[in-house]
Amino acid sequence: ELQLVGSGGGLVKPGESLRVSCEASGFTFANFAMNWVRQAPGQGLEWVAYISKSSTDIYYADSMKGRITISRDDARNSLHLQMNSLRVEDTAVYFCARELPWLDTWGQGIQVTVSS
Amino acid sequence: DIVMTQSPDSLAVSLGERATINCKSSQSILYSSNNYNYLVWYQQKPGQPPKLLIYWASTRAAGVPDRFSGSGSGTDFTLTISSLQAEDVAIYYCQQYYYIPYTFGQGTKLEIK
Repeated sequence: ELQLVGSGGGLVKPGESLRVSCEASGFTFANFAMNWVRQAPGQGLEWVAYISKSSTDIYYADSMKGRITISRDDARNSLHLQMNSLRVEDTAVYFCARELPWLDTWGQGIQVTVSS
Repeated sequence: DIVMTQSPDSLAVSLGERATINCKSSQSILYSSNNYNYLVWYQQKPGQPPKLLIYWASTRAAGVPDRFSGSGSGTDFTLTISSLQAEDVAIYYCQQYYYIPYTFGQGTKLEIK
């Protein structure tokens, strides 16, 4: 069964950092590009970051560029998003998603709350 | 960036009736070299991640009931549910994957009348 299991969310203060992760199973993780998409409370979906196979290409949304780093560990079937200088407006559920190029498999979502 | 605009924002349809959701892109997402439209439709229920329904604008994903269909080309697209079932109550999103940044429509909330 295809599965993406997220971890690492939580409550942080503005300006702090947080790393969220996603562990893949049921498919050959190294063969696929991956993405992060977020959803603020009661809002729509916002693409955040992309990483290609072998990490050769990386792209970020302007809203978070300079504050985030996407990475992958193919040996551990893991995807990561390091988020620094977090803002209240970064409060959202963060989803990892496999790219086909459409996003066919999504993680269950990781809650990140930024509040003082 | 490509702006995706859905209409309506919300929709109430009787059980068994047809539901139609529209999605318009600010520029063509039809790739001329392969004649594919880089558009996908997702369904999202509360507390769940989005679920893939349709890709390449009109290809149903595996396991998606055939009452769901997608159509359109270039800049104008439609998701149709031919006979609404209670389990179809959800928010529906279109998304372009023509180029990064990937962008989503604002969502259409579908309810039972």
